[in-house]
Amino acid sequence: KAGVTQTPRYLIKTRGQQVTLSCSPISGHRSVSWYQQTPGQGLQFLFEYFSETQRNKGNFPGRFSGRQFSNSRSEMNVSTLELGDSALYLCASKTSPGTGGRGEKLFFGSGTQLSVL
Amino acid sequence: AQKITQTQPGMFVQEKEAVTLDCTYDTSDPSYGLFWYKQPSSGEMIFLIYQGSYDQQNATEGRYSLNFQKARKSANLVISASQLGDSAMYFCAMREGVWDMRFGAGTRLTVKP
Repeated sequence: KAGVTQTPRYLIKTRGQQVTLSCSPISGHRSVSWYQQTPGQGLQFLFEYFSETQRNKGNFPGRFSGRQFSNSRSEMNVSTLELGDSALYLCASKTSPGTGGRGEKLFFGSGTQLSVL
Repeated sequence: AQKITQTQPGMFVQEKEAVTLDCTYDTSDPSYGLFWYKQPSSGEMIFLIYQGSYDQQNATEGRYSLNFQKARKSANLVISASQLGDSAMYFCAMREGVWDMRFGAGTRLTVKP
């Protein structure tokens, strides 16, 4: 079974531009979560999608948005990029929210390394 | 407020020795889950071990065990017989309520030959 796939692996953008990152979850997984990882702030939760609906959202400005398609693939978009948006963006999937209770683990992709110049 | 605290930014251990990575958490929800993940330099997060708040026994997965002290709100990861391939970042995480996982700041473990 293929794992979580994120594309692209690396991305370089300039301030003010916008970027779209893609995530394909494990087959059969319908819940997708996004995390931002930086050396200063660590791993921070961005949002979670299930059945094309945003279920939870972390404390990020409106420039960060996402969506999920009917095949469970997800994209996240960052508009008007700032230098501080440089980070590793990790996508994770699980079968569905609540399935397996608190113990259902997240399966992570290798991430997209975004550099904003 | 910080939900997950990992107080050791970096740890060193000799190959074949055991090491304990600390994690404390804060929650008022009686039902929660605690996880440990490993992140090698490749970036991917690898699941290691899980402990539920109602589990009576400490979780074990091969060389990994979780020292769960509920009253102290701690969930320390113990790695026995360290190997060079264990060198990585280690993250403690918690899931409570309707929220997805929240992670600690991580501990960088270096295994010395």
